[in-house]
Amino acid sequence: AQSVAQPEDQVNVAEGNPLTVKCTYSVSGNPYLFWYVQYPNRGLQFLLKYITGDNLVKGSYGFEAEFNKSQTSFHLKKPSALVSDSALYFCAVRDMGTNAGKSTFGDGTTLTVKP
Amino acid sequence: DTAVSQTPKYLVTQMGNDKSIKCEQNLGHDTMYWYKQDSKKFLKIMFSYNNKELIINETVPNRFSPKSPDKAHLNLHINSLELGDSAVYFCASSQKGTGKGAEAFFGQGTRLTVV
Repeated sequence: AQSVAQPEDQVNVAEGNPLTVKCTYSVSGNPYLFWYVQYPNRGLQFLLKYITGDNLVKGSYGFEAEFNKSQTSFHLKKPSALVSDSALYFCAVRDMGTNAGKSTFGDGTTLTVKP
Repeated sequence: DTAVSQTPKYLVTQMGNDKSIKCEQNLGHDTMYWYKQDSKKFLKIMFSYNNKELIINETVPNRFSPKSPDKAHLNLHINSLELGDSAVYFCASSQKGTGKGAEAFFGQGTRLTVV
């Protein structure tokens, strides 16, 4: 079984400050990990993913995430938040060993960046 | 060109009716999905098809029946609609997941309201 936890329903930061949105996961094998962003009344958009290799992954809009196997975490980060980053963020995991390609999504974290 | 398109965008219908949502992707992907996002924004997978073959069928009432006429299309038919079916339904596609950390591309969603 695979699962994802996003421990914070809401993250508030001031514009220009660094932001972190937390994600921890559980899989029986090795994980594929993803971050998606959802703006109001829109579908999810892919931000970045970890497959293998370098633990620090860079993605769209200046976001990055660090894969930490010992802590089973994949936190999303950005050095300097923008008001336009305000949205709902989802972490997702997929077990590399499964054939079905099923991703499990976290419950989402609402990021609010204030001017 | 829209990569994953769903129709209709909004659907308001009475309890007991039967309705369909259509989805098409022009990305050449092998795998398509239906997700349900409830009022709390939780995202749950319902079905997944790979090359027209059903590969994921989560615990979903039999009233929901997906159909994939070809690998570019995945439609969702819902019989005897209930109030609890009200949600946003997202179609998505990706390259085949096995052995590949393929991200999903989502449609803009269909907001279904059952009255």
